[in-house]
Amino acid sequence: DQQVKQNSPSLSVQEGRISILNCDYTNSMFDYFLWYKKYPAEGPTFLISISSIKDKNEDGRFTVFLNKSAKHLSLHIVPSQPGDSAVYFCAASATGNQFYFGTGTSLTVIP
Amino acid sequence: KAGVTQTPRYLIKTRGQQVTLSCSPISGHRSVSWYQQTPGQGLQFLFEYFSETQRNKGNFPGRFSGRQFSNSRSEMNVSTLELGDSALYLCASSRLMTSGANNEQFFGPGTRLTVL
Repeated sequence: DQQVKQNSPSLSVQEGRISILNCDYTNSMFDYFLWYKKYPAEGPTFLISISSIKDKNEDGRFTVFLNKSAKHLSLHIVPSQPGDSAVYFCAASATGNQFYFGTGTSLTVIP
Repeated sequence: KAGVTQTPRYLIKTRGQQVTLSCSPISGHRSVSWYQQTPGQGLQFLFEYFSETQRNKGNFPGRFSGRQFSNSRSEMNVSTLELGDSALYLCASSRLMTSGANNEQFFGPGTRLTVL
């Protein structure tokens, strides 16, 4: 049973525009959420995180929004750059270091 | 600071064989987690070790096992390999046993296992 879902397998965005990647979860016990970026032949790289006590966290061009009532989080990348082209995974944890990952969204930023 | 290293990077085995994969965490990290990545399934949690003790285990059969040594290095073993075990196996390390800010997981490059 997939507790974390990314319903869009792929997304294409023009360079300079906003990229919005979405993630839904089902377990209300999740209290810590992360986004990872993955290039082919490499392991995932941590991007940004948010705890359930917040609804927004920013780090440079990356902002993560959390809507607990909707069990939804999103990653905004502004402005999008060609180097952002990668697969993005969201992950969630209820306790400890056991994380549940989504299936990923492949982002392509078109120059 | 060296990152998480995994060996070997690529492995080809046949059905019925067993395999052992190795992971060396970032220096100072005591938690090591293992994940299986297959197309369409994302990353599936296998297990986590902290200070040589298995703390969490995912929903995988008993053919999948692991251990952690006193220097925090970890190995995972898969016995009686099946075709469906072909996947990218990822190891991640973190400092603490609880998730939260300043305790992000850092991933290695993975071991690509192919079962023929």
